[in-house]
Amino acid sequence: AQKITQTQPGMFVQEKEAVTLDCTYDTSDPSYGLFWYKQPSSGEMIFLIYQGSYDQQNATEGRYSLNFQKARKSANLVISASQLGDSAMYFCAMREGSGGAGSYQLTFGKGTKLSVIP
Amino acid sequence: DGGITQSPKYLFRKEGQNVTLSCEQNLNHDAMYWYRQDPGQGLRLIYYSQIVNDFQKGDIAEGYSVSREKKESFPLTVTSAQKNPTAFYLCASSIKLLRRLLDYTFGSGTRLTVV
Repeated sequence: AQKITQTQPGMFVQEKEAVTLDCTYDTSDPSYGLFWYKQPSSGEMIFLIYQGSYDQQNATEGRYSLNFQKARKSANLVISASQLGDSAMYFCAMREGSGGAGSYQLTFGKGTKLSVIP
Repeated sequence: DGGITQSPKYLFRKEGQNVTLSCEQNLNHDAMYWYRQDPGQGLRLIYYSQIVNDFQKGDIAEGYSVSREKKESFPLTVTSAQKNPTAFYLCASSIKLLRRLLDYTFGSGTRLTVV
């Protein structure tokens, strides 16, 4: 079974509108963290936002917020006021457990390609 | 500025040849990783290293080898045993933080093409 599922291969959004990118995860570990990354066409991975499994509040970072529903095992990314520069691939990723100090593998979903329309 | 440097950005390899991808970081991170990305796919872990002179296989290690002789460097060799090496390769490093538990930084990637 996939640990990270992103069901939307592609999404379109009008400039200045909000958009939600879906991510569901599967883990039996009580300690985990969820990440969202943006990958422009140039290829680099840009960190957007993080949510820990024990965090009481949903994470927010500027125009990015994470709709974390623990019981449903979902961690959807919400981008408010979309900009043309938001057009990119977006990946949800998860780390599980408490590995060696400073070392945590990330498991990635297959990504969602977001296109912002002027 | 601290960061991760991957070189070269583009690499062409003939079938049957070994090639080595470079990854250097000046972030003082202990752990380093190599991921492979195929078109339309997410990243898959090849190898990772938590400390110098130690590394572990990831999900798709066959046909690859690594070394970690220095904290700053984690080169990846794509051997002739790798059946389908054409892909985008990303190097990353990480350090444990108080809140996020993990600061994960990626390089800008190397695009390898077999010709």
